[in-house]
Amino acid sequence: QKEVEQDPGPLSVPEGAIVSLNCTYSNSAFQYFMWYRQYSRKGPELLMYTYSSGNKEDGRFTAQVDKSSKYISLFIRDSQPSDSATYLCAMKVDSNYQLIWGAGTKLIIKP
Amino acid sequence: DAGVTQSPTHLIKTRGQQVTLRCSPISGHKSVSWYQQVLGQGPQFIFQYYEKEERGRGNFPDRFSARQFPNYSSELNVNALLLGDSALYLCASSLGGTTNEKLFFGSGTQLSVL
Repeated sequence: QKEVEQDPGPLSVPEGAIVSLNCTYSNSAFQYFMWYRQYSRKGPELLMYTYSSGNKEDGRFTAQVDKSSKYISLFIRDSQPSDSATYLCAMKVDSNYQLIWGAGTKLIIKP
Repeated sequence: DAGVTQSPTHLIKTRGQQVTLRCSPISGHKSVSWYQQVLGQGPQFIFQYYEKEERGRGNFPDRFSARQFPNYSSELNVNALLLGDSALYLCASSLGGTTNEKLFFGSGTQLSVL
């Protein structure tokens, strides 16, 4: 079993819809949680960075962390075709520099 | 401001050859990390360097090595290439002071081993 599980998709939604992306994890020591967006043949771009449990909002993006359920989510409001990309979750423990990643979910926003 | 720059962008090698990938971090960042991303998977941690010292190493064979220079740029070397080394190699830079710092990635070097 992988430490971080993420549905690979693809997830296809119409423009303007609310998108929900999720990851589950097994290591209760994870304390820092990130969401990255990756366009084809490009490097990952940091979208959201959260510590411990709770919600964080930045523009159209909201990140949620539920440590009791070992479950994190990324919500995208008013989705746009330019949001079409692969979304990767990543997480780490406090004492380690290494990020542990999900496999990514491919998101397609249909005009 | 320039982001993380990696060179070359694409590389084709044959089995058994050696390859060197290069990375320049964001100005002011002192730490560089290397990740390997196989198609359809998330990145896997290879190395992190800070102030020219190795600060962490992932589960990769000794064929993989790296170093960081006084200007904080870095090189990743892979010897005796295998077909399975074909991947996108990502470099990330960070300020370098703490374990909870944010990583910023370059566009990567796509390595194909034939």
